Amino acid sequence: DTAVSQTPKYLVTQMGNDKSIKCEQNLGHDTMYWYKQDSKKFLKIMFSYNNKELIINETVPNRFSPKSPDKAHLNLHINSLELGDSAVYFCASSQEGFGQNEQFFGPGTRLTVL
Amino acid sequence: AQSVTQPDIHITVSEGASLELRCNYSYGATPYLFWYVQSPGQGLQLLLKYFSGDTLVQGIKGFEAEFKRSQSSFNLRKPSVHWSDAAEYFCAVDSIKAAGNKLTFGGGTRVLVKP
Repeated sequence: DTAVSQTPKYLVTQMGNDKSIKCEQNLGHDTMYWYKQDSKKFLKIMFSYNNKELIINETVPNRFSPKSPDKAHLNLHINSLELGDSAVYFCASSQEGFGQNEQFFGPGTRLTVL
Repeated sequence: AQSVTQPDIHITVSEGASLELRCNYSYGATPYLFWYVQSPGQGLQLLLKYFSGDTLVQGIKGFEAEFKRSQSSFNLRKPSVHWSDAAEYFCAVDSIKAAGNKLTFGGGTRVLVKP
């Protein structure tokens, strides 16, 4: 039983392409997140959704567009991919959006832009 | 703005020896603090968390951490390291808002375990 799952696990693509990463959680959580981990392992939040509503957008380029069709899913679409987008993208979820609630992370999607 | 510093990028420890990972945070109020572990090629797993109360918190896999408000620190410890503890460790602080909490992570500490 995977709590937070992401597809694909690996994604290799050319510069300029558009790609999507999917995330699903089966924990019944209200809040979902996208984090980016760069080549130096630095993790930074990108977006947060609570009950399908965007609540955090951390100055991410508008080429990145999250979409939450329902509480259990948060997908990340990236337009016009650039070399600097190469990273590992982690999806996470938590029960409500309050600080004391643990965030559960997916296994990550390693994106390589050539 | 909140921030987290992990001063040690790499730590090498012998199997069976003790381990301490340092974490310093900057936050205007009482923080919510977390330690996560990331094994190679894996996602992040929560080791332990501190919200309030007892400043010494116990976590999974034999880890513990101590919150020291006067030093703005939340150091992680394990008395006896196992080879399987080799991983990347992240300290994180959570903002306390009505909604939209977000984890701010430190840069991570990579732990190598010598046989």
